[in-house]
Amino acid sequence: AAGVIQSPRHLIKEKRETATLKCYPIPRHDTVYWYQQGPGQDPQFLISFYEKMQSDKGSIPDRFSAQQFSDYHSELNMSSLELGDSALYFCASSLKQATGELFFGEGSRLTVL
Amino acid sequence: KQEVTQIPAALSVPEGENLVLNCSFTDSAIYNLQWFRQDPGKGLTSLLLIQSSQREQTSGRLNASLDKSSGRSTLYIAASQPGDSATYLCAVSLMDSNYQLIWGAGTKLIIKP
Repeated sequence: AAGVIQSPRHLIKEKRETATLKCYPIPRHDTVYWYQQGPGQDPQFLISFYEKMQSDKGSIPDRFSAQQFSDYHSELNMSSLELGDSALYFCASSLKQATGELFFGEGSRLTVL
Repeated sequence: KQEVTQIPAALSVPEGENLVLNCSFTDSAIYNLQWFRQDPGKGLTSLLLIQSSQREQTSGRLNASLDKSSGRSTLYIAASQPGDSATYLCAVSLMDSNYQLIWGAGTKLIIKP
């Protein structure tokens, strides 16, 4: 079965650079979530989209933005990168009218030098 | 504010033992609860999902229970194997948040051969 696909899997950037992470949800899932997991920490909710509209906003910095496109894939754009942005970024998808189970991608590891 | 706590933070047991991981949450108004497994530096693998109306779910050697009124869930692992070594996280889905997850800090499990 198709799973959530995230790219790139690994990304190395310098401070003050920009980065874009992509997420392709499970086909027919209508909701996408972004989570950030720092070293040794539990995942922190950043933002979610339902049917291409932002549905919830968590602890996403103003330097970050995200959107969901017409094909339901989502992109997380991060600008003015800081050392503290180094983390594993997870995307998850779900089908709103189903069980509410979230299915996670393998994550994108961002390292800011 | 919903808070999720997992005890113990770490657990080391000999291979073959049965074990129980605990998860507690402060607000019983949850939609569902999920147990995940995470290997070091890797993605989140969903193990079991329990809807708020359910009491338990089973998958192979895993059994998860939910007592919503007391704000507790347990993950029971039978006949543990070295391959079960990982961090186990529980997460609750809030009722009115499009399934946004609130996470526990995880239990790091080591199964000794």
